[in-house]
Amino acid sequence: DGGITQSPKYLFRKEGQNVTLSCEQNLNHDAMYWYRQDPGQGLRLIYYSQIVNDFQKGDIAEGYSVSREKKESFPLTVTSAQKNPTAFYLCASSIEGKNTEAFFGQGTRLTVV
Amino acid sequence: AQSVAQPEDQVNVAEGNPLTVKCTYSVSGNPYLFWYVQYPNRGLQFLLKYITGDNLVKGSYGFEAEFNKSQTSFHLKKPSALVSDSALYFCAVRDSWVGGYNKLIFGAGTRLAVHP
Repeated sequence: DGGITQSPKYLFRKEGQNVTLSCEQNLNHDAMYWYRQDPGQGLRLIYYSQIVNDFQKGDIAEGYSVSREKKESFPLTVTSAQKNPTAFYLCASSIEGKNTEAFFGQGTRLTVV
Repeated sequence: AQSVAQPEDQVNVAEGNPLTVKCTYSVSGNPYLFWYVQYPNRGLQFLLKYITGDNLVKGSYGFEAEFNKSQTSFHLKKPSALVSDSALYFCAVRDSWVGGYNKLIFGAGTRLAVHP
């Protein structure tokens, strides 16, 4: 099946720890995105990448880092610098272009304990 | 910068009645507009998009959307609501091509509740 796979589905992090969320796609899409969703709020863009080895900060990049070493993979690291990391994280990908829709993974729910 | 607004936090409708979920947009240039649906603890699913052409766009699960340029609106509609349509709906717009990148910007979402 083609699609986007996020793992894990649930993740618990202790204060001060870095954690990495996985996102893999087999759709051959150039563009990939990470969004954060908080209860009652829309999606806010963390990082996006249009091509391998290149990525851009979104609206809320502080405390997060990404890499894009392979076309298929776009992992997100939530660092200890992120003050309020508890949220639902969504990864997406799309064909490059203005008229293209994005396809989303099933999300990772991160909770700080 | 491009933006979208969803003026209603929640829409309530009886099963079998028509439904409308509202979206207004602000863009410079031609708008590229999208609707997505999200079920609890799941990712977003694409419903439909407006690129150009007919103002009435048909999408998945019987949904359609009406593009109105003069009112800068892109409202989501369905002639007869189902209880299973209850979910969170997001309107989105593609940002302009700045520096070779274009982002997908989302509204805050509207929760649709369809009552039996």
